[in-house]
Amino acid sequence: GENVEQHPSTLSVQEGDSAVIKCTYSDSASNYFPWYKQELGKGPQLIIDIRSNVGEKKDQRIAVTLNKTAKHFSLHITETQPEDSAVYFCAAHWGGPGDSWGKLQFGAGTQVVVTP
Amino acid sequence: DSGVTQTPKHLITATGQRVTLRCSPRSGDLSVYWYQQSLDQGLQFLIHYYNGEERAKGNILERFSAQQFPDLHSELNLSSLELGDSALYFCASSVVDSSGANVLTFGAGSRLTVL
Repeated sequence: GENVEQHPSTLSVQEGDSAVIKCTYSDSASNYFPWYKQELGKGPQLIIDIRSNVGEKKDQRIAVTLNKTAKHFSLHITETQPEDSAVYFCAAHWGGPGDSWGKLQFGAGTQVVVTP
Repeated sequence: DSGVTQTPKHLITATGQRVTLRCSPRSGDLSVYWYQQSLDQGLQFLIHYYNGEERAKGNILERFSAQQFPDLHSELNLSSLELGDSALYFCASSVVDSSGANVLTFGAGSRLTVL
């Protein structure tokens, strides 16, 4: 099955600096890689995703890069703000092309703390 | 509010008992997914239902079962509860986006504590 490793487990940044979270996956058949943000007491919320036919995707201050050869993908948050403080999870679609797209293998999460 | 409704929000019960968690997906979403979030295992996929039919199974214990009803709400039944079943249980529903991938929307979760 799929195995997703996420680093670092905690990340402290000053407001305005950039934050980078890295994930690796094991199953070369994985082709969908979403990132979720989870705030205290809430469920995970999708913030950005990338498909395997794309190397980079950007949405305002958030960007994701994917290297299929090396089987790793990264989340980049620029100009961090206190409201970016949360736990961030990477995930990879688990299973073959015919499998349920919502069958995701999650990383262990990164606690991001943005200090003013 | 994500549009995915889960009840109850909190549940405390004893070992050996049985509980039922309920999920109502967003209006129009036919898929319901159940995930378990625990400190030691992280977020784990349990099971997926689409329009009343089971579509995929993950690391779901035999003591656990789920179903999706004609009105598309889903229930996750957990029986013979053990201390290790204490966790947050999330339900998610999905819609297929313009690129053809299912985008999951999670509910706020049901926190189960087994004493």
